[in-house]
Amino acid sequence: GAVVSQHPSWVICKSGTSVKIECRSLDFQATTMFWYRQFPKQSLMLMATSNEGSKATYEQGVEKDKFLINHASLTLSTLTVTSAHPEDSSFYICSARDWAHPEGNTIYFGEGSWLTVV
Amino acid sequence: QKEVEQNSGPLSVPEGAIASLNCTYSDRGSQSFFWYRQYSGKSPELIMFIYSNGDKEDGRFTAQLNKASQYVSLLIRDSQPSDSATYLCADRGSNYKLTFGKGTLLTVNP
Repeated sequence: GAVVSQHPSWVICKSGTSVKIECRSLDFQATTMFWYRQFPKQSLMLMATSNEGSKATYEQGVEKDKFLINHASLTLSTLTVTSAHPEDSSFYICSARDWAHPEGNTIYFGEGSWLTVV
Repeated sequence: QKEVEQNSGPLSVPEGAIASLNCTYSDRGSQSFFWYRQYSGKSPELIMFIYSNGDKEDGRFTAQLNKASQYVSLLIRDSQPSDSATYLCADRGSNYKLTFGKGTLLTVNP
């Protein structure tokens, strides 16, 4: 079946630095990918929608200059957390829709990336 | 603002029993829903989606949708300890921007 892969699985960075997380669709093309964030014992919250070849659209309250999204190809979207601070420590998860799936409504999630800012 | 409500649990059932998980949603115009399973520290795994009123079965899982009552449920038959996880209900929304409930923690006791 379709697979969405994220890298790195976990990362520790120093406060003030930037960190990049990659999201790849391995066996299908994804014109749209989604980035979510999940704090401990809370549900997933959508941060932004990543659109191939165009600017990402951000949810209300999400700083676009802090969370840079690039979707340069049909299989890769990246999220860069700039000037990271401890409060950005969270589980970041991407997802993508497999448009070619027979049922057309299949959204798969990547494995997630744990970010710890120290 | 869409809202999806789930009982946070924990819901505890014995092995072999039927686990029933429930979800209500606020947007009467919502058309389809997903159920995901999430193990601690892992990302969600798709169980199934449903968009028609009534039941949809896939193996041990049955999803039920009642649009008039704005209610979605998931039944797990012959529950196994490996089913112990948090179950997330999600409203598909427009353009597949999912709105998740907070999830129900299910524990299946051997």
